[in-house]
Amino acid sequence: AQSVSQHNHHVILSEAASLELGCNYSYGGTVNLFWYVQYPGQHLQLLLKYFSGDPLVKGIKGFEAEFIKSKFSFNLRKPSVQWSDTAEYFCAVHSGGGADGLTFGKGTHLIIQP
Amino acid sequence: NAGVTQTPKFQVLKTGQSMTLQCAQDMNHEYMSWYRQDPGMGLRLIHYSVGAGITDQGEVPNGYNVSRSTTEDFPLRLLSAAPSQTSVYFCASSYSVGPSGYTFGSGTRLTVV
Repeated sequence: AQSVSQHNHHVILSEAASLELGCNYSYGGTVNLFWYVQYPGQHLQLLLKYFSGDPLVKGIKGFEAEFIKSKFSFNLRKPSVQWSDTAEYFCAVHSGGGADGLTFGKGTHLIIQP
Repeated sequence: NAGVTQTPKFQVLKTGQSMTLQCAQDMNHEYMSWYRQDPGMGLRLIHYSVGAGITDQGEVPNGYNVSRSTTEDFPLRLLSAAPSQTSVYFCASSYSVGPSGYTFGSGTRLTVV
């Protein structure tokens, strides 16, 4: 079965610091990759997605992610974080061709200190 | 355009009670799914549907039933609530399975006592 690993469960950064959150998946075939953000008390919102083409994907709010097929990775980055980026971040994978939805990582709780 | 609407937002049940969590979308999405979110576990797929009349089990289906009689609605039924079903439940929909991304509802926080 597909699995998704997010290496950092809790991350604390100061404002203006750079961010990189790791995500690795296990499926060796075609995949669609997603990063979602969940602000406190809210539902999940799509930050960005990758399904083909340029492996460097730009999303909303200045986030980007790079798909590295050889490493089965889809790491999320932001060059300068803001206090408003405090949230839970989830990496998710869909196995190409499958109908059984997304497999999520366990999430990374990001806290930005002013 | 309301997106994905879930009701109720909060619910407390006694062990053994049954209830239905409602999910409706107005985007004409074929694909709908239910997830539960537990601390430190991420989101886990309960059931999904690829169209009206078609449903299938996800990773954690035990104790839950679903049906899909219309494109718009995808209710989740708890047959006999247990404390282990205390969780936050999210409904999600998508135009198609795969790369288009999923739209999530605002969630139902369920406590079983």
